[in-house]
Amino acid sequence: EKVMTQSPVTLSVSPGERVTLSCRASQRVSSYLAWYQQKPGQAPRLLIYGASTRATGIPARFSGSGSGTEFTLTITSLQSEDFAVYYCQQYNNWPLTFGGGTKVEIK
Amino acid sequence: EVQLLDSGGGLVQPGGSLRLSCAASGVTFSSFAMSWVRQAPGKGLEWVSSISGGGGSTYYADSVKGRFTISRDNSKNTLYLQMNTLRADDTAVYYCATPGEGNGYYYFDYWGQGTLVTVSS
Repeated sequence: EKVMTQSPVTLSVSPGERVTLSCRASQRVSSYLAWYQQKPGQAPRLLIYGASTRATGIPARFSGSGSGTEFTLTITSLQSEDFAVYYCQQYNNWPLTFGGGTKVEIK
Repeated sequence: EVQLLDSGGGLVQPGGSLRLSCAASGVTFSSFAMSWVRQAPGKGLEWVSSISGGGGSTYYADSVKGRFTISRDNSKNTLYLQMNTLRADDTAVYYCATPGEGNGYYYFDYWGQGTLVTVSS
């Protein structure tokens, strides 16, 4: 099983700041990596797939990078609606696995 | 537009059974690989099970293998999760999810609203 580790667990930031979230895989997953945003009481929302391709309707301030075992989600100029929990997920092989999440909270 | 409607959750005693359903609309359902993902209260996301569009391939997390069965009825545009021998640690919101039409990769672009399963005596 490929273990996905996200860091930090919590990030306190101010609106307008740039945010960088990390996701590390215990084994290589090529570029089969997705990022999700989840707000309280809502289903997750796909942000990025293929490590760097934005999903339909996702603003350009969200970008993904990386391959192999190290991945990054960057949010430039954080907006109020971006405060949420972010998860990474590998779909390179079975079992599919998610990271533990990073909570982005208001500073 | 893809719409997924989860249902079937509820309170069940340990050792009991429950069947979840996920009705899809606005789609050619047989073209969609489907999955179940769960989230325990206050916890992160956990993949549970997936099934190919035709239903010929199924996959399970070790935590549910032998207890849960994923299936689909493409004539009814509906996905199912039969859950047997339920345990307290199966308590979670269960989401059905799919990457979309003809997509063979198992990430999730569309999600149901979730249905809560509570296992407790």
